[in-house]
Amino acid sequence: NAGVTQTPKFRVLKTGQSMTLLCAQDMNHEYMYWYRQDPGMGLRLIHYSVGEGTTAKGEVPDGYNVSRLKKQNFLLGLESAAPSQTSVYFCASSRQRRQKETQYFGPGTRLLVL
Amino acid sequence: DQQVKQNSPSLSVQEGRISILNCDYTNSMFDYFLWYKKYPAEGPTFLISISSIKDKNEDGRFTVFLNKSAKHLSLHIVPSQPGDSAVYFCAARSFTSGTYKYIFGTGTRLKVLA
Repeated sequence: NAGVTQTPKFRVLKTGQSMTLLCAQDMNHEYMYWYRQDPGMGLRLIHYSVGEGTTAKGEVPDGYNVSRLKKQNFLLGLESAAPSQTSVYFCASSRQRRQKETQYFGPGTRLLVL
Repeated sequence: DQQVKQNSPSLSVQEGRISILNCDYTNSMFDYFLWYKKYPAEGPTFLISISSIKDKNEDGRFTVFLNKSAKHLSLHIVPSQPGDSAVYFCAARSFTSGTYKYIFGTGTRLKVLA
């Protein structure tokens, strides 16, 4: 049981390049999330998904797209990377229970955009 | 507008003493609060949570207190151990647009001195 995994762990991009971050979970969770973490700021929600085939915008969605074609995978895409997207990206999943709820996070992807 | 605030970016405590981490929030509609612990180069991991209908929850050395009238949350670690050195995030949950969403604080870096 690997939990939540993220690929790649680290990536350097040039401005304007595109890339896709992959998140996979093996806990059969319905809900998946993409966050970014920047110095002096908490984790901010980029996009989320409440089930296979669904996606929705979070707090900071601009410049990102997502897809959830399979329940276990949640992809985050950057079509044209900008230096402002330099950050650490975390994926999370959860069951969305009313009580005793928690999100399970992946180890993060560190992205540097030059 | 930061709905969840952790006003202390860092805290140092001697081993064996109590660590108290604080969190303030502004939205009275939050129904659930969580604390996460994060080590460098890892994703956040769930530590402890509390429902808005309770004022205290305890799990071993960790206790979370909720003061709804003051919109204040605190995490007590007793006794503190060097392995507790990490960044601690508080998070608050709200139910909007048919799903639960989480707002995270900016984190407090705890250093437990041996």
